[in-house]
Amino acid sequence: DGGITQSPKYLFRKEGQNVTLSCEQNLNHDAMYWYRQDPGQGLRLIYYSQIVNDFQKGDIAEGYSVSREKKESFPLTVTSAQKNPTAFYLCASSIDSNQPQHFGDGTRLSIL
Amino acid sequence: QKEVEQDPGPLSVPEGAIVSLNCTYSNSAFQYFMWYRQYSRKGPELLMYTYSSGNKEDGRFTAQVDKSSKYISLFIRDSQPSDSATYLCAMSRPNINTGTASKLTFGTGTRLQVTL
Repeated sequence: DGGITQSPKYLFRKEGQNVTLSCEQNLNHDAMYWYRQDPGQGLRLIYYSQIVNDFQKGDIAEGYSVSREKKESFPLTVTSAQKNPTAFYLCASSIDSNQPQHFGDGTRLSIL
Repeated sequence: QKEVEQDPGPLSVPEGAIVSLNCTYSNSAFQYFMWYRQYSRKGPELLMYTYSSGNKEDGRFTAQVDKSSKYISLFIRDSQPSDSATYLCAMSRPNINTGTASKLTFGTGTRLQVTL
């Protein structure tokens, strides 16, 4: 089945630790996105990538990093610099930036 | 003031009712409009996508856009318990440099509960 796979579903981070969230798509989409969802705040864009080996900061990029070495993969690293990382993280992709986005089922990150 | 306003609900309706969900926005540059449905602990699922004023229908769902009033709506006919979810509106504007759509701006979502 074509779709977007995020893993793990749940993740726990210790203080001072970096963690990486995986996002893989087999839809052959060029554009990929990372969002953070917090209660009452809607989705906020962290990073996005329109093509391989290129990505741009979104509205809340501080404390996060990404890479786009392959078209189908767009991992997100939550670094120790992100002081409030507890949230639901959503990855999305679209054929190009002019088309609607489709989402994975998210990773819930919590602090130990 | 937020660019996109959406009543968080919860909105509770009996099975079979017509549901009306709404968003207002302040930026007249928004040209592309979407509705997503999100079940608990899941990612949003695209329901409707439109880029013009007027109505667009898909099964029990109708999306309505009124650009003059900066107001969009999603109507659900013959609502079912399986429609119980959070509904998110989203919109974007063309990038003036590339002509392609820029990032999505989301509403905070309206939680809908359809009761038996």
